[in-house]
Amino acid sequence: DTEVTQTPKHLVMGMTNKKSLKCEQHMGHRAMYWYKQKAKKPPELMFVYSYEKLSINESVPSRFSPECPNSSLLNLHLHALQPEDSALYLCASSQDLGDHSYEQYFGPGTRLTVT
Amino acid sequence: GENVEQHPSTLSVQEGDSAVIKCTYSDSASNYFPWYKQELGKGPQLIIDIRSNVGEKKDQRIAVTLNKTAKHFSLHITETQPEDSAVYFCAASNPDDKLIFGTGTRLQVFP
Repeated sequence: DTEVTQTPKHLVMGMTNKKSLKCEQHMGHRAMYWYKQKAKKPPELMFVYSYEKLSINESVPSRFSPECPNSSLLNLHLHALQPEDSALYLCASSQDLGDHSYEQYFGPGTRLTVT
Repeated sequence: GENVEQHPSTLSVQEGDSAVIKCTYSDSASNYFPWYKQELGKGPQLIIDIRSNVGEKKDQRIAVTLNKTAKHFSLHITETQPEDSAVYFCAASNPDDKLIFGTGTRLQVFP
């Protein structure tokens, strides 16, 4: 089973709201990722967690705050977003990080609209 | 850093024909090259991948080839079907563990 689940499927929020996106995998993977995808563009990496510790932050604005409470869960906390942050937010997981370059499996995404 | 170029941006084929999508990469340290299929409203799905120690890999109607010297790799889909219609992304990964994606190819298969 290579399933990554994400909730909610759709989210509409105002610029003053605080919301969270959730991601879960039960494949025993130790690396988890957040990507942002704008329409007709490829996914762009935001954050990488390895063994529940933040490994990579691609200079993402602080209004996006990731959290990895345990090895199966990954959250993305959102606060004071801008309309240009509207996008598909994708979570992915892989067995590990390292020279082996493990396969990454993506979830279905959360379609976020900021009004 | 790594840069991945992908061509063509759109590709229309008749059902049963073959489709070929090509990518080039810039970083000779890249060692892993996956291909993803993304259907409308869904996340990218890994369909095939190849590592730098292999020149070709095949899985039923899908094959990928890699030319390390020229730094390019290609996806070949034979006997295309309407359900192959989607956006396809190539990607390259180096030991930094970052996947760098190509710009995507919208494949349409007409019945």
